Amino acid sequence: GAGVSQSPRYKVAKRGQDVALRCDPISGHVSLFWYQQALGQGPEFLTYFQNEAQLDKSGLPSDRFFAERPEGSVSTLKIQRTQQEDSAVYLCASSFKPPGTGKFGNTIYFGEGSWLTVV
Amino acid sequence: KQEVTQIPAALSVPEGENLVLNCSFTDSAIYNLQWFRQDPGKGLTSLLLIQSSQREQTSGRLNASLDKSSGRSTLYIAASQPGDSATYLCVLYNFNKFYFGSGTKLNVKP
Repeated sequence: GAGVSQSPRYKVAKRGQDVALRCDPISGHVSLFWYQQALGQGPEFLTYFQNEAQLDKSGLPSDRFFAERPEGSVSTLKIQRTQQEDSAVYLCASSFKPPGTGKFGNTIYFGEGSWLTVV
Repeated sequence: KQEVTQIPAALSVPEGENLVLNCSFTDSAIYNLQWFRQDPGKGLTSLLLIQSSQREQTSGRLNASLDKSSGRSTLYIAASQPGDSATYLCVLYNFNKFYFGSGTKLNVKP
């Protein structure tokens, strides 16, 4: 597609419910990132994929958070047993190359986010 | 750990004014720096990308500068318009990670 697509755009989950957030990156983009953005804050890094490999998951806040990108394109961020503090916007971003490769850096492209509210 | 600070956190100006948004960072070992705007309910839109070897980039009414030695970047907006109202984020890029500032919320009054 023309841009990074995320679904659902809005999700209300009851505390304890599992949720799955989907990201369709721009076709051909190698790198995919997930970020969590709380209200009034800048995005916080969650995890990074290069193709299907999850190279960095240091930002995942707990073992209730799990991300995958099995075929190196679409990615899913799963949150198990959601809690109120999980309420945030979850942003997905992709870039054509891995960060820092080549002579020129890369522009990253963000989706519009999945707004999760846990009640 | 890289820390990114944006000052001011919020700014309100009358239409037509020239303004400067500031971004400071603690670790000069960066690949590049991007300025984004974020509109309510929307994702982030890239405005300017400055490579680590460059000192500035320009696009229309926007000019971004980078001084790695002092750990600073500025975004200059000329002749501001109400449509410029948004949150502006500076994002540093190093290895596999992006480091985000918390943003400057700009309101341009008609």
